[in-house]
Amino acid sequence: AQTVTQSQPEMSVQEAETVTLSCTYDTSESDYYLFWYKQPPSRQMILVIRQEAYKQQNATENRFSVNFQKAAKSFSLKISDSQLGDAAMYFCAYKAGTYKYIFGTGTRLKVLA
Amino acid sequence: NAGVMQNPRHLVRRRGQEARLRCSPVKGHSHVYWYRQLPEEGLKFMVYLQKENIIDESGMPKERFSAEFPKEGPSILRIQQVVRGDSAAYFCASSLSGIVYNEQFFGPGTRLTVL
Repeated sequence: AQTVTQSQPEMSVQEAETVTLSCTYDTSESDYYLFWYKQPPSRQMILVIRQEAYKQQNATENRFSVNFQKAAKSFSLKISDSQLGDAAMYFCAYKAGTYKYIFGTGTRLKVLA
Repeated sequence: NAGVMQNPRHLVRRRGQEARLRCSPVKGHSHVYWYRQLPEEGLKFMVYLQKENIIDESGMPKERFSAEFPKEGPSILRIQQVVRGDSAAYFCASSLSGIVYNEQFFGPGTRLTVL
């Protein structure tokens, strides 16, 4: 069965510093998609970044980048120059072969001023 | 910029009452998905609908829960005889098609509280 694991329930980072959120997944598929979603207190799910497994190049979106290690089944999110507005729950998600997203349990990120 | 709309945003029901959650997909999207988020957990798939058809309801409890997506109007997730364990945030997502690489756009969710 496909699973997504986020082993860090909570992380803190100083404003302007860099933080990395971990995500591992288990799958027997060779082609799939991975996502990081941000959920602020409003509960809106906001897509942060997306990675196609067939692409070797790591995805980047401004201050957000991923370290995708396909063999290790690891998909970490790096946030550079952290801002107060980055404080939120972050969910790692996986999708392959079907329309179903499989989400991890989330990491709560606190940004300290 | 009409994204996925859900209403109500907050819904309070007493045990035994019915809850009706509405979802209007992105304009032009005919595929709708419902997810449930229990406290301190990630979202879990419940049901996938395409106009007038239920494609996959494997994640939905067998009793008390039903979903529909009529030809006209929003998708409805209906929970009959609610219990405290139904308290959760319910998210709707929509996509242009059901194929795997089509992104799902999420609505803001409905937070259901059962007293």
